[in-house]
Amino acid sequence: QKEVEQNSGPLSVPEGAIASLNCTYSDRVSQSFFWYRQYSGKSPELIMSIYSNGDKEDGRFTAQLNKASQYVSLLIRDSQPSDSATYLCAVNTPGGSYIPTFGRGTSLIVHP
Amino acid sequence: GAVVSQHPSWVICKSGTSVKIECRSLDFQATTMFWYRQFPKQSLMLMATSNEGSKATYEQGVEKDKFLINHASLTLSTLTVTSAHPEDSSFYICSASIRGVNTEAFFGQGTRLTVV
Repeated sequence: QKEVEQNSGPLSVPEGAIASLNCTYSDRVSQSFFWYRQYSGKSPELIMSIYSNGDKEDGRFTAQLNKASQYVSLLIRDSQPSDSATYLCAVNTPGGSYIPTFGRGTSLIVHP
Repeated sequence: GAVVSQHPSWVICKSGTSVKIECRSLDFQATTMFWYRQFPKQSLMLMATSNEGSKATYEQGVEKDKFLINHASLTLSTLTVTSAHPEDSSFYICSASIRGVNTEAFFGQGTRLTVV
């Protein structure tokens, strides 16, 4: 059973701070990793994908992957109230039908 | 990113009737489409995976005769909730991807179903 674990939160940070969201996964052969953002009442939207160890930056977002430790994280710099949402981690594993496994999501609250 | 269009965005139906939800990939050919259900303040629950031209694979506990999925083309999948009951009221979301481990899934806007 593939598992993707996230702390449900809520994670509360002040405006302008760095928000750090973490995700661990159980299947060592997992190969691709995604972060989605979901606003309340809306469907998830993809914000980052990462496939190799290290950091990947896109604007205020940085995804970090450590396959040896089986974790992936998302850093949001200069957090804004509009970043308040649930962040979902998803993991794809080779073989089978490539069904992405989602974590339960971490709720982020950025307060002014 | 790729665009996935889901229709309708919301629907209210009477108990006992059927509702069809469409999911279209607008600018790419989706070999695989996924259907999820999400109750308020809960996580996504995968209902089924459908590959173009073949029968859908349902997750354990999901009634395939109640939730009919058709993936007739590379750009269209439909979910029909048959004989809907109030407990079927939920947020239904589709996502589409191109088969492969390094490809992301793109989500439709979701459909809010209310059964009265």
